[in-house]
Amino acid sequence: DQQVKQNSPSLSVQEGRISILNCDYTNSMFDYFLWYKKYPAEGPTFLISISSIKDKNEDGRFTVFLNKSAKHLSLHIVPSQPGDSAVYFCAARPYTNAGKSTFGDGTTLTVKP
Amino acid sequence: DTGVSQNPRHKITKRGQNVTFRCDPISEHNRLYWYRQTLGQGPEFLTYFQNEAQLEKSRLLSDRFSAERPKGSFSTLEIQRTEQGDSAMYLCASSSLEIQETQYFGPGTRLLVL
Repeated sequence: DQQVKQNSPSLSVQEGRISILNCDYTNSMFDYFLWYKKYPAEGPTFLISISSIKDKNEDGRFTVFLNKSAKHLSLHIVPSQPGDSAVYFCAARPYTNAGKSTFGDGTTLTVKP
Repeated sequence: DTGVSQNPRHKITKRGQNVTFRCDPISEHNRLYWYRQTLGQGPEFLTYFQNEAQLEKSRLLSDRFSAERPKGSFSTLEIQRTEQGDSAMYLCASSSLEIQETQYFGPGTRLLVL
């Protein structure tokens, strides 16, 4: 039973346009959510997070939206740049067990110049 | 501090052999995590430590796997009697309780069991 799902294995967008990456979760105990970016031959790098008390968190070009009723979150990248091309992982965890994160399988984003 | 480091970066071994990986976390971080990642999947939680105490182990962690963090600093992950299904990327991460538990990952150790 996969508790965090990223249903789009890949996404391709033009430079300057918006990239929207989606993530769904099933476990109601999850109340803290994170996005990581991963380049080949490197470990995942933390990008942005959101707790369940918020519905939006913004950091520069990156914004994460959380819809708790739908158990859905999304990452928006505006404007997209070729350097954003990477694998993006959504992760979730319960606040009561902060040590254990559950990851989705990732979405490969390609930003074309 | 240069971040989380892992050694070796690559390991090729024959089935049945034992292997040990090392993780050096960011120095002030008191939590350390091990994950396993196979091709096309996200990292899967294996275990984590707070200081030297191992607080949780995944059911994915069979009896052939053991992790230690003897002095609350670096950690080792040992796999005994390796099997081909153990081939994966083994990722280590660390975090500080003061920074909302953001986990910082190392580059990983890629294991290939022949």
